[in-house]
Amino acid sequence: EVQLVESGGGLVQPGDSLRLSCVASGFTFSSHSMNWVRQAPGRGLEWISFISTGSGNKYYSDSVKGRFSISRDNAKNSLYLQMNSLRVEDTAVYFCVRDPIWRSLDYFDYWGQGTLVTVSS
Amino acid sequence: QSALTQPASVSGSPGQSITISCTGTSSDVGGYNLVSWYQQEPGKGPKLMIYEVSKRPSGVSNRFSGSKSGNTASLTISGLQAEDEADYYCCSYAGSITHVVFGGGTKLTVL
Repeated sequence: EVQLVESGGGLVQPGDSLRLSCVASGFTFSSHSMNWVRQAPGRGLEWISFISTGSGNKYYSDSVKGRFSISRDNAKNSLYLQMNSLRVEDTAVYFCVRDPIWRSLDYFDYWGQGTLVTVSS
Repeated sequence: QSALTQPASVSGSPGQSITISCTGTSSDVGGYNLVSWYQQEPGKGPKLMIYEVSKRPSGVSNRFSGSKSGNTASLTISGLQAEDEADYYCCSYAGSITHVVFGGGTKLTVL
């Protein structure tokens, strides 16, 4: 069974940093590109970042470019999101999301349950 | 404001059919056959229901179908059931700059 389990969320102040993690199981992690998608409270979904299987390609939405950094460790079946210079508008549930094998950004076939990040003074 | 436009809510009675629209531009929905639809229940991560406009993943009921005409994609749910009540989001590939865009979501109520 495919599982994506996020962790690392919490309450932080504006300007702080936070690192999210996602541990994958039930599939060959190194064969799938991965993404982070977030959802502000009561709002819709927003794609924010992509990383290819070997970390050679990384993409970001304009809303997080220059502040967030995506990475992965295939030996640990783990995906990460380093979030710096956090803003109140970054408050959201952050989902770890899988691309289908051999595909990139065409669609997302599995999602985690999410981890909540709250940015407030 | 989301890049793709969906109705905020739709409703239907059990057994009826409903359609949710998703309107974009020629740079996303109209430019690629890469529209997908996701179902999200409260407190859960989204679930893939339709991909590549009209394809159903294994395990998704054939009551769910997708289509596209020009810059507008649609999700149709036939034979509505109480368990279909959820939020539905459309999504489209949007090229090598924007990458991916989502709709604002539609809340489906089964009366």
